[in-house]
Amino acid sequence: AAGVIQSPRHLIKEKRETATLKCYPIPRHDTVYWYQQGPGQDPQFLISFYEKMQSDKGSIPDRFSAQQFSDYHSELNMSSLELGDSALYFCASSLIADTQYFGPGTRLTVL
Amino acid sequence: SQKIEQNSEALNIQEGKTATLTCNYTNYSPAYLQWYRQDPGRGPVFLLLIRENEKEKRKERLKVTFDTTLKQSLFHITASQPADSATYLCALDNKDSGAGSYQLTFGKGTKLSVIP
Repeated sequence: AAGVIQSPRHLIKEKRETATLKCYPIPRHDTVYWYQQGPGQDPQFLISFYEKMQSDKGSIPDRFSAQQFSDYHSELNMSSLELGDSALYFCASSLIADTQYFGPGTRLTVL
Repeated sequence: SQKIEQNSEALNIQEGKTATLTCNYTNYSPAYLQWYRQDPGRGPVFLLLIRENEKEKRKERLKVTFDTTLKQSLFHITASQPADSATYLCALDNKDSGAGSYQLTFGKGTKLSVIP
């Protein structure tokens, strides 16, 4: 069965640079979620989209923005990167309020 | 304040025994509670979802109970195997967050080690 696809899987950036993470949800899923997981931490909710509209917002810094496109893929844009942004970033998708299925994650390292 | 607590950071059990993990929550009104497995550096993998009106759910060697009065869920792995070694996360939504909000809040996880 098709799973959530995330790219890139690994990303290394310098401080103050910009990064873009991509997420391709499971086909026919209408909701996409972004989570951030720091080392030894549990995943923290950032933002979600339902049918291309932002549906919920969590602890997402103002330096980050996200959107969902007409083909349902989503992108998380991160600017003015800081060392503390180094983490695993997960995308999950679901059919509205049902089970969330997570992608393999993007490991972002900020040097 | 809202809190999700998983009983222990780490749990070691002997192969073949039943592992029992606990998830307690305060100041949440979940419509459902989910259990995920996470291996190091990998994404959480969905295991089981139990709704507020369900007491128990089973899937192969896994069993989940949900007591909304005690605000607690128990997650059992019977006949445990070394391959079950991983971190197990409980996650729940919150009906009080308003319509359209389905974000999951995770517990810190319990790292299970099954010893051969």
